[in-house]
Amino acid sequence: GNSVTQMEGPVTLSEEAFLTINCTYTATGYPSLFWYVQYPGEGLQLLLKATKADDKGSNKGFEATYRKETTSFHLEKGSVQVSDSAVYFCALRGPGAGSYQLTFGKGTKLSVIP
Amino acid sequence: KAGVTQTPRYLIKTRGQQVTLSCSPISGHRSVSWYQQTPGQGLQFLFEYFSETQRNKGNFPGRFSGRQFSNSRSEMNVSTLELGDSALYLCASSFGDRVNEQFFGPGTRLTVL
Repeated sequence: GNSVTQMEGPVTLSEEAFLTINCTYTATGYPSLFWYVQYPGEGLQLLLKATKADDKGSNKGFEATYRKETTSFHLEKGSVQVSDSAVYFCALRGPGAGSYQLTFGKGTKLSVIP
Repeated sequence: KAGVTQTPRYLIKTRGQQVTLSCSPISGHRSVSWYQQTPGQGLQFLFEYFSETQRNKGNFPGRFSGRQFSNSRSEMNVSTLELGDSALYLCASSFGDRVNEQFFGPGTRLTVL
């Protein structure tokens, strides 16, 4: 079945540091890939997505590239802010029949200190 | 445009009771999915409804059930509650295809004592 593996953290960075959160997946075919963010006490918000190989999703300074050859979708940001402190989830939606649901990684908690 | 709303936001129940959670999707969305979030298991898919039909179901016991109404609002029910059912239950709505995003509600925090 489909699965997502991401670094679990927690990750603590100083403001303006570079962020990478690794995400790899297992799926048949070409799934759609997503990064969601969850702020304390809230639901999940879509951060970015990519639907085919070599697509780059980007939003709010965050980027991730769909790498079919390494089955990866790593999240990066060049300069993090305190307001980026949250839990980040990598997810996929499979291409197979009935695969409308999202399969999530365990989440990575990011804390950014001033 | 109003987002996904879930009611109630918090619930406290005791073992053996049953509970019903409600989700109102974004206007125009025909698909509603439910997820359970716990510290140990993370986010797990419960089921998805599209146009009042259950289209997909995760690996949860039959105590977990749901339904969708003609206006796309959805409810999920958990019978004979167990301590392990304590979790954040998230509802997500979408147009129902595989490409476009799912929009999540704030969740219902269920505590079973």
